[in-house]
Amino acid sequence: AQKITQTQPGMFVQEKEAVTLDCTYDTSDPSYGLFWYKQPSSGEMIFLIYQGSYDQQNATEGRYSLNFQKARKSANLVISASQLGDSAMYFCAMRENLGGSEKLVFGKGTKLTVNP
Amino acid sequence: ETGVTQSPTHLIKTRGQQVTLRCSSQSGHNTVSWYQQALGQGPQFIFQYYREEENGRGNFPPRFSGLQFPNYSSELNVNALELDDSALYLCASSAKQGTEKLFFGSGTQLSVL
Repeated sequence: AQKITQTQPGMFVQEKEAVTLDCTYDTSDPSYGLFWYKQPSSGEMIFLIYQGSYDQQNATEGRYSLNFQKARKSANLVISASQLGDSAMYFCAMRENLGGSEKLVFGKGTKLTVNP
Repeated sequence: ETGVTQSPTHLIKTRGQQVTLRCSSQSGHNTVSWYQQALGQGPQFIFQYYREEENGRGNFPPRFSGLQFPNYSSELNVNALELDDSALYLCASSAKQGTEKLFFGSGTQLSVL
């Protein structure tokens, strides 16, 4: 079974600074995908960034980048120039094949608070 | 294009009752997945429907069932509600069976008393 571990229940960052949210994963599949989602208080899960296991370069999407270290099985999310609107729960997830379909396996999340 | 919409937003039931949650997929999406998110946890996969048939299921008992309609809207039904069923239920749709490009709704918050 695949597993996602997020060891930081909560993180604080000053506005305009960068912050790294940690994620480690465990899988025996050679091909896998890693995701980061943002969940504001409204409840909706918002897709931020995706990294495939065979991607040669770390994924980037605007202020979001993924620090992918395959040998260490880590996929940390880096948010640059934090904004007050970045305050939310952040979830790391991994794709798991179900034999014809796929599902996401989520970590427990990290609550990010951006201070003015 | 419209997003994923779920109804109702909040619901209170008592133990033993039955509940139906509804989801309208994003336009053009033929796959819908349901997830349960307990307080302080990440979402857990319940099941997925593709072209009106269940094609993947997580570790949930049979009292959790679903339907997908020809217009790709979906229902999640839970029978014999238990206190531990209290959670946020999230619906996600996609244009194909993969997990990339999943679009989530804002969820239904179910409280079982």
